[in-house]
Amino acid sequence: QSALTQPRSVSGSPGQSVTISCTGNSSDVGGYNYVSWYQQHPGKAPKLLIYDVINRPSGVPGRFSGSKSGNTASLTISGLQAEDEADYYCYSYAGSYTSVFGGGTKLTVL
Amino acid sequence: QVQLVESGGGVVQPGRSLRLSCVGSGFTFSNYGMHWVRQAPGKGLEWVAVMSYDGSKKFHTDSVKGRFTISRDNSRNTLYMQMNSLRPEDTAVYYCAKVGGSSGWQIDYWGQGTLVTVSS
Repeated sequence: QSALTQPRSVSGSPGQSVTISCTGNSSDVGGYNYVSWYQQHPGKAPKLLIYDVINRPSGVPGRFSGSKSGNTASLTISGLQAEDEADYYCYSYAGSYTSVFGGGTKLTVL
Repeated sequence: QVQLVESGGGVVQPGRSLRLSCVGSGFTFSNYGMHWVRQAPGKGLEWVAVMSYDGSKKFHTDSVKGRFTISRDNSRNTLYMQMNSLRPEDTAVYYCAKVGGSSGWQIDYWGQGTLVTVSS
């Protein structure tokens, strides 16, 4: 159960777009459309942004979108805002009722 | 609204035991699977264990198998984690998390977490 691979950090200026990748293998990301993305501000609990690769829960702005190609899932944040500065984690079902998270990506809004 | 409140964390010596609890409200607890996820200080999220809505299925990550046991009492809307033979590397904030309505055990809500520190 190795962690999914995410870039340690990404950055962008307000109004720009950034994309965070999440790479696994055919046993997790590539094998199921059960990929979620979570946002975590310092000292806070994670918050769901995306589930089932592409779906947004109600209340999550449309600036957040998800996609997947092969063994890599991606989260794109458009129109960056200062409050988007946080850590982001991907999640994937990994079969046999197990789950795996990515190592996390720190987003800095310049 | 969905609320998950963890308790039971604290400072414990290596080799000792601790039991965490998580009370759920604002949803029908007995209808949903539940996870425990931990986060070591300054580190990322690590999946620890999951239990099905009725307790019939439970699975643990390899690093805690044989030491930690997830359980639930649906009559009390409570999820538990019994942690035995604790090690310094188990030091972390432990979150309970609710499985959403979709598949793949994906999480839709998280508690605020409880800190477990394993130290002599």
